[in-house]
Amino acid sequence: EVQLVESGGGLVQPGGSLRLSCAASGFTFNSYSMNWVRQAPGKGLEWVSYISSGSSTIYYADSVKGRFAISRDNAKNSLYLQMNSLRAEDTAVYYCARDFRHNWNETHYMDVWGTGTTVTVSS
Amino acid sequence: EIVLTQSPATLSLSPGERATLSCRASQSVSGYLAWYQQKPGLAPRLLIYDASNRATGIPARFSGSGSGTDFTLTISNLEPEDFAVYYCHQRSDWPPLTFGGGTKVEIK
Repeated sequence: EVQLVESGGGLVQPGGSLRLSCAASGFTFNSYSMNWVRQAPGKGLEWVSYISSGSSTIYYADSVKGRFAISRDNAKNSLYLQMNSLRAEDTAVYYCARDFRHNWNETHYMDVWGTGTTVTVSS
Repeated sequence: EIVLTQSPATLSLSPGERATLSCRASQSVSGYLAWYQQKPGLAPRLLIYDASNRATGIPARFSGSGSGTDFTLTISNLEPEDFAVYYCHQRSDWPPLTFGGGTKVEIK
């Protein structure tokens, strides 16, 4: 079964740091680009970051640029998001999501999502 | 950044009715638009990609149309499990990838 499982969320004070992990199984992880998408309470979806299969290409939303860092370890089938200088507005459920491949081409849509991990930034 | 505007914000319908959801882009995204369904407490699910292609396992009652700046998701015969929030998503000009604000389809 294709699966993504996030972990590492929790309560953190403003200015603090947190590292999220996403464990992949059931597919060839090193063949897929990955994304982080977040959803603030009661709000819509916001794309956070993208990393290509070999980590050569990385992008961030302006709202997190300079504070968050995406990375992956293909040997461990894992995706990470290091979050520093956290703000109240970073409070959200964070999802990792697989970049959908159609006819083996990347589409930058997302076809497999994890269950999400909740990050709460509050004093 | 391409802004996606979805309308209406809420659609109140009965099972068996037809739902028509709109997504308008601030500039042309060609056909590079997807639709997702999200139920409370769950992750989004990919329904439609490239404006009109159903993802694997998606029932035929879901259909997408449009190109350029105006797109439509149609659910032809609402089933009880279709009541959810629907998001559009563009990948034409990125980063950033952007999503619409969502349309909630609720039971009337």
